[in-house]
Amino acid sequence: EIVLTQSPGTLSLSPGERATLSCRASQSISSSDLAWYQQKRGQAPRLLIYGASSRATGIPDRFSGGGSGTDFTLTISRLEPEDFAVYYCQQYVSSPLTFGGGTKVEIK
Amino acid sequence: EVHLVESGGGLVQPGGSLRLSCTASGFTFSTCAMSWVRQAPGKGPEWVSSISGKGDTTYYTDSVKGRFTISRDNSRNTLYLQMNSLRTEDTAVYYCTKRDGWHQFDSWGQGTLVPVSS
Repeated sequence: EIVLTQSPGTLSLSPGERATLSCRASQSISSSDLAWYQQKRGQAPRLLIYGASSRATGIPDRFSGGGSGTDFTLTISRLEPEDFAVYYCQQYVSSPLTFGGGTKVEIK
Repeated sequence: EVHLVESGGGLVQPGGSLRLSCTASGFTFSTCAMSWVRQAPGKGPEWVSSISGKGDTTYYTDSVKGRFTISRDNSRNTLYLQMNSLRTEDTAVYYCTKRDGWHQFDSWGQGTLVPVSS
């Protein structure tokens, strides 16, 4: 099973600031089969990024994904008020499909 | 627009059974792999099970193998999850999700809550 470790657990930032979230895999995800999701309180997760760096339909370009192998990042270039939420990475290269523990981006 | 609506959740006692349904619209259901993903209170999402578009290939996470069964009725655009021998640790919101091929979960329903408690 591929374990995904997200850091930091909580990120306290102000609107307009840049957010960098990390996701580290316990083994190489060689085909970049990694996605990022955003979840707001009381809502279902929403797909942001797939294939490590491709934005899903309708996702603003302030969201970008990068990385390969075992180290991946999600960057939010300038935080908008609606971006404060929990973010999860997820791998789909092998079964069982697994999610990271999440990073909460909160208002400082 | 893709629309996924789950139903069938509710309080169940340990050892009991429940069947969840998910009605899909806005896409060609029979050509898409589908999955169930659950989220326990205060925890991250956990993949539960997946099924191919034709329904002939299924996958399960180890903790539900032999207890849960995923199925689909393509004539009704409906996905199911039959859950037997439920345990308290199965308590979660269960989400129906559409997959892009066998890849990411690109659409999610609003979820249905399944509390397992005596």
